[in-house]
Parts: sequence; C-alpha cells; structure tokens
Amino acid sequence: ETGVTQTPRHLVMGMTNKKSLKCEQHLGHNAMYWYKQSAKKPLELMFVYNFKEQTENNSVPSRFSPECPNSSHLFLHLHTLQPEDSALYLCASSQGARLARQFFGPGTRLTVL
Amino acid sequence: KQEVTQIPAALSVPEGENLVLNCSFTDSAIYNLQWFRQDPGKGLTSLLLIQSSQREQTSGRLNASLDKSSGRSTLYIAASQPGDSATYLCAVIIVGETSGSRLTFGEGTQLTVNP
Repeated sequence: ETGVTQTPRHLVMGMTNKKSLKCEQHLGHNAMYWYKQSAKKPLELMFVYNFKEQTENNSVPSRFSPECPNSSHLFLHLHTLQPEDSALYLCASSQGARLARQFFGPGTRLTVL
Repeated sequence: KQEVTQIPAALSVPEGENLVLNCSFTDSAIYNLQWFRQDPGKGLTSLLLIQSSQREQTSGRLNASLDKSSGRSTLYIAASQPGDSATYLCAVIIVGETSGSRLTFGEGTQLTVNP
C-alpha cells in the first residue's frame, strides 16, 4: 500500500453518462496529480494540484473536469466521454510539487462504451 | 520536448539470470530520474530515484545508474526471481513552467522471469 487510494477500481460508462473518480492520500502531501495510461502509450500527465490550486493542465479536453477540495482529496469528473478515453487513470501525490517523489494509487480502469 | 525510450519493450528470462533494462531520454537537463514497477492492473511502485548529481542508486538486488550527458539510465536486476515479473517504467523529472513537477515516462519494459 502506498497511502494513496482510488475509487472505484473499475468503471464502465456510456458516452452520455456522468461519473466521478476519487483519489485520497493519507500521506500528508500537498500536491496531487492525475495521469492517464492508455494501451501501448506512455503515462501522460493530465493535471497537477499544489495546495488545492491547479498548477498544470496538460491540454486536457474539457470533458475531464478535476476538483481538489483539499490537499487530501482529488476528483476527476467525467462527462460525455469518448471510447478512446478508455484507459487506466492513476492518481499520485507528493510532498511539495517540485522535484518530489510521487506516490501512486492503484488506478481506476475506465471503459467507455 | 522531452522523450523517454525504453529498450527492450519485452524481456523473458529464466530465473536466476542477471539482467539490464535500458532507458534513454532526449533532453539531458533533467532534475532526477525514477524507476517504477507496475504489476498488471495495478498502480506504480517507486523502486529507485536518482538525483541528477548522482551516478547510481542501489536497493537490494536492484541497481540503477544514470549518465546525464549521454541521456541514459540502466536498471540492473541481479539474480532475477519470478516475483520480479512486472512492467518496469522509467521516468524523468522536468520542472513545468508553473510550480508543478512533471514526470515524463517511457513506455516500459515488460519483464517475465520464468521459474
């Protein structure tokens, strides 16, 4: 266990659905991240939050909407997704955003039908 | 744009063999480099982190080296075991234009150690 939990672990949704992914870290970190891991592609950084403020958006489509209510929780709200959005979504946290070792959660396997 | 390449993409070895996984990156201006392990359907576990000023790091049977000038890192696994079977990912740290810390990943090497 890395101290970062993600729910749900698996999610199947239709293109018209709205769902949310949740990440919680129990490490006292102040930076949190969303990554996307598609088949046969490297992990891609999506968003970075530092002290609840979004500090990076890696040109992610607006159908993905992150929310960070506090330093321990991070959400990814999903709406009108496309089948190509099917992937493993990984959350990570670190103590400080700059240069710090990141600890990853187990991921949510998302399938968009 | 930083690009990270890992060779080979897949590797199958018999138990007990020593092996080397390779990682190369295009921009040598990195702050550090991490090696991760990912088991099927699971998240990433950090194995080793090498600061840019360091040449290598060791943890148990694992040894990672870093040559910034040539843009290369290797992960050496001694006396491999079936439990080492996983995908190994290399990632370099670059600092984004904001205060964020950006990890750029390679595609990974899928390792299978056969009993």
